[in-house]
Amino acid sequence: AQSVAQPEDQVNVAEGNPLTVKCTYSVSGNPYLFWYVQYPNRGLQFLLKYITGDNLVKGSYGFEAEFNKSQTSFHLKKPSALVSDSALYFCAVRDPGSARQLTFGSGTQLTVLP
Amino acid sequence: NAGVTQTPKFQVLKTGQSMTLQCAQDMNHNSMYWYRQDPGMGLRLIYYSASEGTTDKGEVPNGYNVSRLNKREFSLRLESAAPSQTSVYFCASSGTRWNTGELFFGEGSRLTVL
Repeated sequence: AQSVAQPEDQVNVAEGNPLTVKCTYSVSGNPYLFWYVQYPNRGLQFLLKYITGDNLVKGSYGFEAEFNKSQTSFHLKKPSALVSDSALYFCAVRDPGSARQLTFGSGTQLTVLP
Repeated sequence: NAGVTQTPKFQVLKTGQSMTLQCAQDMNHNSMYWYRQDPGMGLRLIYYSASEGTTDKGEVPNGYNVSRLNKREFSLRLESAAPSQTSVYFCASSGTRWNTGELFFGEGSRLTVL
């Protein structure tokens, strides 16, 4: 079975500070991992993915994520937060060895305070 | 560039009524998906279509039916709506078959069942 957990429902950070949104996963094999962002009343937008290769993945809008196999984590990071980064962030995982489709986490609401 | 278009954006139904949510994509994608989003539960897959002519159940298919009308269009039907189906529904498409790539989402259809 595959699953993903986002342990924080809400993350608050001051503008200009670094931000981290946490994600841990569980799969039986090597995972495909994704981050998506949702702005109010909009659909989800792709930020970045890890399929294979370098553990540090860079994505849209200055975001990056680090794949850590030993800790089964894929935390989303940004060195300097902007107020416009405030949104709902979803981590997603797929076990390529299974027939199951992508599984999404429950989401983390990021609020960047001016 | 329309991407993924969903209609209607809002709908109120009474228990027992039926309705169809329409989805169309103009990116020539093979795979299409229907998700529902509920607070604190992330996105859950209802049905998907890996390619034209095929459909498969996702995580929460009960109470729903789908039709892949052609490569562009993938509809979701509620035959007898229940209050538990009150949710925001998202259609998505992907150009890759096994979730190695980005999902493109529509802007959502907000359904209320009274």
